[in-house]
Amino acid sequence: SQQGEEDPQALSIQEGENATMNCSYKTSINNLQWYRQNSGRGLVHLILIRSNEREKHSGRLRVTLDTSKKSSSLLITASRAADTASYFCATRDQTGANNLFFGTGTRLTVIP
Amino acid sequence: SAVISQKPSRDICQRGTSLTIQCQVDSQVTMMFWYRQQPGQSLTLIATANQGSEATYESGFVIDKFPISRPNLTFSTLTVSNMSPEDSSIYLCSVGQGRLETQYFGPGTRLLVL
Repeated sequence: SQQGEEDPQALSIQEGENATMNCSYKTSINNLQWYRQNSGRGLVHLILIRSNEREKHSGRLRVTLDTSKKSSSLLITASRAADTASYFCATRDQTGANNLFFGTGTRLTVIP
Repeated sequence: SAVISQKPSRDICQRGTSLTIQCQVDSQVTMMFWYRQQPGQSLTLIATANQGSEATYESGFVIDKFPISRPNLTFSTLTVSNMSPEDSSIYLCSVGQGRLETQYFGPGTRLLVL
């Protein structure tokens, strides 16, 4: 299976703390995308990082990519209760397939 | 970014019936996809909806069960046929302008089959 793995599966933190989620994948990729999903709703796109990039920022989000280790991390700084959601990484591989391969997801709970 | 709407947002259906889900995008897009998310699981690609031709299905999904239409570059439908409780999932439409670009998702259709 080309599906990625994310850890932790669940994370619970206090408001104001930072949250780090990790994603590992199996194949060579073109890009990796992070998404947020609130309670069974649609996915909100957070950030795309390309295979030739190592780090990217967007507001309170910081994404890193290590292609040698086939891993990525998503850091949310100064977390808020509204950040409570499931977070998924998804990779686009280099085979030419259209499929986005999704990780297993991390359920983040931010306690007010 | 693309704005995607789906209808219905949720439905409860009886076993053996069929449901057609609509996906509308506010701009013309090259790629449209349909995903399934079973309860507590991650997303799985069902098929790529090709404009003007038959959809391309992933392993484990067949046209008879999940017929798809894509009459133009802004609209697609997915039908879940002869439903069983195992089809209870969230079905998500997704669009993109190319393999190297951002892929966006609709709000999803939550289906419960009794």
